[in-house]
Amino acid sequence: KQEVTQIPAALSVPEGENLVLNCSFTDSAIYNLQWFRQDPGKGLTSLLLIQSSQREQTSGRLNASLDKSSGRSTLYIAASQPGDSATYLCAVSDSGYALNFGKGTSLLVTP
Amino acid sequence: SQTIHQWPATLVQPVGSPLSLECTVEGTSNPNLYWYRQAAGRGLQLLFYSVGIGQISSEVPQNLSASRPQDRQFILSSKKLLLSDSGFYLCAWSVGSGNVWQYFGPGTRLTVT
Repeated sequence: KQEVTQIPAALSVPEGENLVLNCSFTDSAIYNLQWFRQDPGKGLTSLLLIQSSQREQTSGRLNASLDKSSGRSTLYIAASQPGDSATYLCAVSDSGYALNFGKGTSLLVTP
Repeated sequence: SQTIHQWPATLVQPVGSPLSLECTVEGTSNPNLYWYRQAAGRGLQLLFYSVGIGQISSEVPQNLSASRPQDRQFILSSKKLLLSDSGFYLCAWSVGSGNVWQYFGPGTRLTVT
């Protein structure tokens, strides 16, 4: 059974810092890996999707990498802003349909 | 553009009462539909998914059930709620299979008392 782990569970940084969120998964036979953002009490917002054949994807200040053989992904956030404060979730799809989620990293960016 | 709706937004129900949560998607045809639950201290857990009308796959044995009476409608039900059913229920959709994005609804906060 696929297990997804995210480290750290919580992170607090001052505005302007670059930061890295980590995600690991136990079964490398995946279709894709997705990163989401969740604001308190809200649904999930899709950020990035990396196909199993890809190494990274970029969107604005966000960059996600994938090392499928080692079962790892990182989400890099450049020049963090208070509006980036949220919980970031990593999820892998090994069926092409359902997603297996980690518990998330709670990020607080202080002004 | 595509939109996903969930209702109700919040619900407080006593133990043993029935449950019906509804999810509808607009602006797309033949979507894959999903129910996830986010319980306190736990990650998002897939409960059910459906690739077509009347086709339901259950991921976790429990006292919940799902139905898909129409192409863009997905319903989560229970005949008798347990305290452990409390959580944040999220509906999601995607189109196709493989490398496809999943899009999530606003969620329903269920508290079982």
